[in-house]
Amino acid sequence: SQQGEEDPQALSIQEGENATMNCSYKTSINNLQWYRQNSGRGLVHLILIRSNEREKHSGRLRVTLDTSKKSSSLLITASRAADTASYFCATDADPGTYKYIFGTGTRLKVLA
Amino acid sequence: DTEVTQTPKHLVMGMTNKKSLKCEQHMGHRAMYWYKQKAKKPPELMFVYSYEKLSINESVPSRFSPECPNSSLLNLHLHALQPEDSALYLCASSQSLVPTDTQYFGPGTRLTVL
Repeated sequence: SQQGEEDPQALSIQEGENATMNCSYKTSINNLQWYRQNSGRGLVHLILIRSNEREKHSGRLRVTLDTSKKSSSLLITASRAADTASYFCATDADPGTYKYIFGTGTRLKVLA
Repeated sequence: DTEVTQTPKHLVMGMTNKKSLKCEQHMGHRAMYWYKQKAKKPPELMFVYSYEKLSINESVPSRFSPECPNSSLLNLHLHALQPEDSALYLCASSQSLVPTDTQYFGPGTRLTVL
């Protein structure tokens, strides 16, 4: 079963605007990762945040984690048409095994 | 080289056919994975290999048979598939099975079962 639910399911914004995607999960985690997937292609790792971290930055990406609410958000600032993709969170919800469970994903469309 | 390659890119097969998907990486990674992804859904883990040994099998039907002949190669043998097995099959690798290791994904094989 899916561990993460992402919100919104789809998002359409203009180039230059910021995009925020949210991920909620059900059980305690040690790590949460965000991935990007261009249409019908493989996934690209964006950022990993540990359960003892609250915020991480990587270029135009900012990820926050609130373990008390079991939620994470991904912010993409100054979006570009090339950011058009699906974004997935993934959590290591199965302790003792190396198993990441992917959320439902947010489909982002950035209009030029 | 941070590339995972997968062949073929597309595969169409009948329900009685036997085919294989191939995945290769030359990053020295010791963990390799197969995922299945249906349209507009997240990837679902199928198998995990660590040091060429099967570590995780997510209760995948026996018509899917993985094989890891060496540390760089991962195969998925397909036999007697059903139309509902049509999906994008993704291979990934990571340095090891440490949860903080990044998984590198291949572009996938789009499989259609007729």
